[in-house]
Amino acid sequence: EDKVVQSPLSLVVHEGDTVTLNCSYEVTNFRSLLWYKQEKKAPTFLFMLTSSGIEKKSGRLSSILDKKELFSILNITATQTGDSAVYLCAVETGANNLFFGTGTRLTVIP
Amino acid sequence: EPEVTQTPSHQVTQMGQEVILRCVPISNHLYFYWYRQILGQKVEFLVSFYNNEISEKSEIFDDQFSVERPDGSNFTLKIRSTKLEDSAMYFCASSPRRDYGYTFGSGTRLTVV
Repeated sequence: EDKVVQSPLSLVVHEGDTVTLNCSYEVTNFRSLLWYKQEKKAPTFLFMLTSSGIEKKSGRLSSILDKKELFSILNITATQTGDSAVYLCAVETGANNLFFGTGTRLTVIP
Repeated sequence: EPEVTQTPSHQVTQMGQEVILRCVPISNHLYFYWYRQILGQKVEFLVSFYNNEISEKSEIFDDQFSVERPDGSNFTLKIRSTKLEDSAMYFCASSPRRDYGYTFGSGTRLTVV
């Protein structure tokens, strides 16, 4: 059975801290791993990773994939209160759908 | 920036009634999806749709569910006879091609009473 596990389940940090969110997976026919940020409603796309070891960056966010160890991390540096959200990891399989983890709820306090 | 639009944002229906959730995907996208998220739980795949037919569906997507692309712009999810456990946020998503990030709509919150 396909599985995507995110850790921690929740995290509270102070503004300015750096956080690392983890996602491990066990799926058949891996195609890509995606990170989304979910605030109130729709998940908004952050990154799509298909190759090991290549870091993707967008501002203070970065992510990397390890296809040998079957995990990915999402880093957020210099966190701001606007980063408070649920961060979702999803794996796209050959079946043309996304299999989501339960998410990590990040709370950034001023 | 192009958006996936979903209507209504919230629908309340009585158990046993039929509901149709509507989505307008991004215009040049070819792959369409429905996902749902029961309150407090993870986002779950329901169905994918490409070239006017279902390409993949999950165990959740049973005979009570159907999808349709009635014209060139709309993509609908119909639940024939709603159950209490169908209460969830339903997200539509679209993608221009395989191996490309999906864009999600803002969702329809369905409450079955």
